[in-house]
Amino acid sequence: AQSVTQLGSHVSVSEGALVLLRCNYSSSVPPYLFWYVQYPNQGLQLLLKYTTGATLVKGINGFEAEFKKSETSFHLTKPSAHMSDAAEYFCAVSDQPLVSGNEKLTFGTGTRLTIIP
Amino acid sequence: DAGITQSPRHKVTETGTPVTLRCHQTENHRYMYWYRQDPGHGLRLIHYSYGVKDTDKGEVSDGYSVSRSKTEDFLLTLESATSSQTSVYFCAIKERGTDTQYFGPGTRLTVL
Repeated sequence: AQSVTQLGSHVSVSEGALVLLRCNYSSSVPPYLFWYVQYPNQGLQLLLKYTTGATLVKGINGFEAEFKKSETSFHLTKPSAHMSDAAEYFCAVSDQPLVSGNEKLTFGTGTRLTIIP
Repeated sequence: DAGITQSPRHKVTETGTPVTLRCHQTENHRYMYWYRQDPGHGLRLIHYSYGVKDTDKGEVSDGYSVSRSKTEDFLLTLESATSSQTSVYFCAIKERGTDTQYFGPGTRLTVL
């Protein structure tokens, strides 16, 4: 069975500071990994994803994440936080290669990011 | 915007009443999913569909049923709502051969 652990349900950073949101996963197959962002009262929006290939992936809004197989991690970073980054962030792992359609995502419990002016 | 709408967006109901939530998509995606979101649990899969009249259970399917009689609509039914089903419900869609699920705006359901 696959699982995702997000360390820290709440993270606060100052505007302009580095954002680091942690995600560790377990999976019996090579994982497909995702970060989604949820703004208040909205649905989830894809930030970035890792499927195969380059382990450093870049997403929207200046975010990036690095897949580290040895550490079973997929941490999300942004060099300089902006007030508009305040939201909840979810890490997710797929249970199998996303080609059959029957694959399912397992989500972490989320990290709420607060930006301090 | 992946062309997904959910209705209603908000609903308050009483324990024991039936409730149906609708997910509608406009782009003929084959795969559709229903999740619930609860504090401390993230999103959990309730049911999913891989085609018209083809559905399967997810992680938290007890107390829920689904139907998909046409490609564009995926209905989630709570036969007899309970307070534990108070949650925010999200629909998602995906196309076969692609690797990303796209989410609708959600339905906030309160069961009193």
